[in-house]
Amino acid sequence: SQQGEEDPQALSIQEGENATMNCSYKTSINNLQWYRQNSGRGLVHLILIRSNEREKHSGRLRVTLDTSKKSSSLLITASRAADTASYFCAAPKETSGSRLTFGEGTQLTVNP
Amino acid sequence: NAGVTQTPKFRVLKTGQSMTLLCAQDMNHEYMYWYRQDPGMGLRLIHYSVGEGTTAKGEVPDGYNVSRLKKQNFLLGLESAAPSQTSVYFCASSYTGTSRETQYFGPGTRLLVL
Repeated sequence: SQQGEEDPQALSIQEGENATMNCSYKTSINNLQWYRQNSGRGLVHLILIRSNEREKHSGRLRVTLDTSKKSSSLLITASRAADTASYFCAAPKETSGSRLTFGEGTQLTVNP
Repeated sequence: NAGVTQTPKFRVLKTGQSMTLLCAQDMNHEYMYWYRQDPGMGLRLIHYSVGEGTTAKGEVPDGYNVSRLKKQNFLLGLESAAPSQTSVYFCASSYTGTSRETQYFGPGTRLLVL
């Protein structure tokens, strides 16, 4: 079963707009991560938020975590065409383990 | 640093053939992983290793074998390829301790089994 599930599956916006992607997970976690994958490339780690954090920022990225709802969101502000990629959330299979379970991803298209 | 590298980048196999995918990392990471990614799906863990000489099964290990003879290398083998193994394969690595949570990925190997 999937630990992380993203919503929506696909998102298309104009440059300059904000993009919000959501992730839900099933079991208790000690952290949740977001990764980006450009077409034909490997995944790149974006940000990690721990279970005792509610919000975290990194540049134009803002991640929130609601452990009561078992959900997280990734907000990309002032999007650029270069942000076009697939975005995955990932959560540990075990509370303190290194193995991650990835969702199916959100395909973000930013139109110039 | 090259990070995580994978060879080959692309390969076509016939059903029943065997091959080995090589993953190498130069970050002195203890943990290494092999995933497969199929269209419209997230990554699924095939096998992983928590250190030199150790390997363990992931979610979808059937049809694959792995070896970690050197800390920097993690090999994925297909003994008798099947069309269902057509996929993109990604290797990843991570540190130990709390830093092991973040994984660093290679560029992927595209495998087509006819």
